[in-house]
Amino acid sequence: QVQLQQWGAGLLKPSETLSLTCAVYGGSFSGYYWSWIRQPPGKGLEWIGEINHSGSTNYNPSLKSRVTISVDTSKNQFSLKLSSVTAADTAVYYCARSAPCIVVVPAASCWFDPWGQGTLVTVSS
Amino acid sequence: SSELTQDPAVSVALGQTVRITCQGDSLRSYYASWYQQKPGQAPVLVIYGKNNRPSGIPDRFSGSSSGNTASLTITGAQAEDEADYYCNSRDSSGNVWVFGGGTKLTVL
Repeated sequence: QVQLQQWGAGLLKPSETLSLTCAVYGGSFSGYYWSWIRQPPGKGLEWIGEINHSGSTNYNPSLKSRVTISVDTSKNQFSLKLSSVTAADTAVYYCARSAPCIVVVPAASCWFDPWGQGTLVTVSS
Repeated sequence: SSELTQDPAVSVALGQTVRITCQGDSLRSYYASWYQQKPGQAPVLVIYGKNNRPSGIPDRFSGSSSGNTASLTITGAQAEDEADYYCNSRDSSGNVWVFGGGTKLTVL
């Protein structure tokens, strides 16, 4: 059973760079997309971006200028960097896996499973 | 549009049936996936695809879709079903994921 375990600094000052890593245990790293998703306190989920095993990325347009997601296939890990953080970036950050979408006529099916345990990142001066 | 719209809150009497809906243009091309989130926990996938449940999810959870609207139905709601529920899909470009704003389900 695949498990995702994530870690990273939990307290940052404004203008610093957020850095988180997610390790994949118990399953294949290739053939999937690996995402970062965040949730500000008391608010909903926001997708940040994704990477596949070959390093191809997609980013949320609203965060694209500040986000870098990278992959280390030798360690089955992927990482998130978010630059120039502000208080608005305070959130619980999750990593999650998705498979390529499956076409089940008349639509395609895609989903996130599993998720990491989440890391609270607080930005405060 | 790349947005998914959910009602902020829904309530249901214990043992009754409740439907949570999600609307968005992307749902014409992609089935919604649905996640249950309890306080302090990571989201858990409850429905994906046309109407599929991961292992361990009770069969009282089901999904359906029509046009630009997806629905999550809980038949015989239990106290432990009280949680936030989020829908999700790729957007119409296929390169970006979108989430609904979430629905807080209260079981009375």
